[in-house]
Amino acid sequence: DSGVTQTPKHLITATGQRVTLRCSPRSGDLSVYWYQQSLDQGLQFLIQYYNGEERAKGNILERFSAQQFPDLHSELNLSSLELGDSALYFCASSRTSETYNEQFFGPGTRLTVL
Amino acid sequence: AQSVTQLGSHVSVSEGALVLLRCNYSSSVPPYLFWYVQYPNQGLQLLLKYTSAATLVKGINGFEAEFKKSETSFHLTKPSAHMSDAAEYFCAVSDQTGGGNKLTFGTGTQLKVEL
Repeated sequence: DSGVTQTPKHLITATGQRVTLRCSPRSGDLSVYWYQQSLDQGLQFLIQYYNGEERAKGNILERFSAQQFPDLHSELNLSSLELGDSALYFCASSRTSETYNEQFFGPGTRLTVL
Repeated sequence: AQSVTQLGSHVSVSEGALVLLRCNYSSSVPPYLFWYVQYPNQGLQLLLKYTSAATLVKGINGFEAEFKKSETSFHLTKPSAHMSDAAEYFCAVSDQTGGGNKLTFGTGTQLKVEL
């Protein structure tokens, strides 16, 4: 158990819909990251927040957005869902934003878009 | 930008045999490198990390990796494979391009351990 929690574990929805994925980082970690894992794209970095502020952006679609709240939990919002958005979405956290800090991953949310 | 390349998407070994999973990196600055393992239907678990303190890094579950600058490699090894090592292994580099601290992953190597 990494100490990072993600809800829900599974999500099945239809095209065009909007969903919210939730992540709670390890106690004391200030940085939260979101990654997408799919068969064709592999593991891709989406976005990073540090202490409530956006720190880095990766290949995140405009239909996707995220935020980190004052209690440090984070939410990833996916809207106008397409079949290709079906993937495993991981949240990770680290103590700070320094590059030598290892990231601890949650169990993931498996999103299926029908 | 930093990147990693994992050679061999599938590796099969016999139980008790040496495990060698290959990772080469590309980086214009001294890299921070990581190996993660993913068991079926689970998240990624950190095996070990290289942060320039020592070139030979020991991790959990008997795994270790050696950083070789001359070869731009960070291969993962384990002297004796166990059935429980069957999983997918990912090499990653910490990339500060564009600010922040993102991990750029390789494409993964599926390790199969046979009796």
